Amino acid sequence: GAVVSQHPSWVICKSGTSVKIECRSLDFQATTMFWYRQFPKQSLMLMATSNEGSKATYEQGVEKDKFLINHASLTLSTLTVTSAHPEDSSFYICSARGTGRKIQETQYFGPGTRLLVL
Amino acid sequence: SQKIEQNSEALNIQEGKTATLTCNYTNYSPAYLQWYRQDPGRGPVFLLLIRENEKEKRKERLKVTFDTTLKQSLFHITASQPADSATYLCAFTGGGNKLTFGTGTQLKVEL
Repeated sequence: GAVVSQHPSWVICKSGTSVKIECRSLDFQATTMFWYRQFPKQSLMLMATSNEGSKATYEQGVEKDKFLINHASLTLSTLTVTSAHPEDSSFYICSARGTGRKIQETQYFGPGTRLLVL
Repeated sequence: SQKIEQNSEALNIQEGKTATLTCNYTNYSPAYLQWYRQDPGRGPVFLLLIRENEKEKRKERLKVTFDTTLKQSLFHITASQPADSATYLCAFTGGGNKLTFGTGTQLKVEL
């Protein structure tokens, strides 16, 4: 149980284009989803927190107009990197936190999306 | 600020031995700690959660302890196997239900 999927697993795009990454909780309802970014040999950096039906809360230093987050349902959140540039190349990981006593205590992570902007 | 420290150096052990990873935290008193495994190019995988009122938690070959006095958690893998080689992350849930991660310890189990 508590499976989270991400799509695509990797994407290569040209500079200036927008890329959408989907995060789905497959077997539970995710009241809260989180988006992280990870650079090589570094720990995960939280970008934003989204609650279903609400606007996302962004961490300091993360541009909300560049990283658009939508959490339209209890099983789906999307991250859109708008006008991507090479410095946006990174590993993006989502996580989900659900309802129910045990499942809400932790976050379950997706497999990640590798983004390369040329 | 809330901080978690893990051994930044890689841990190399021989197959069959017990691996012990350390997690120390400061400036916070978490209600529970979590351990994750992360393989290269993959998202973290949840392993174990231990609550502040639990001294020890086990799952198959894994054991986690939580010492709120020392502000420390230990993560043990008994009878280690090469397949256990990965980076192990310690984390706690702080304000706003945000996870604070340690930097992770890379474990390598050699034949």
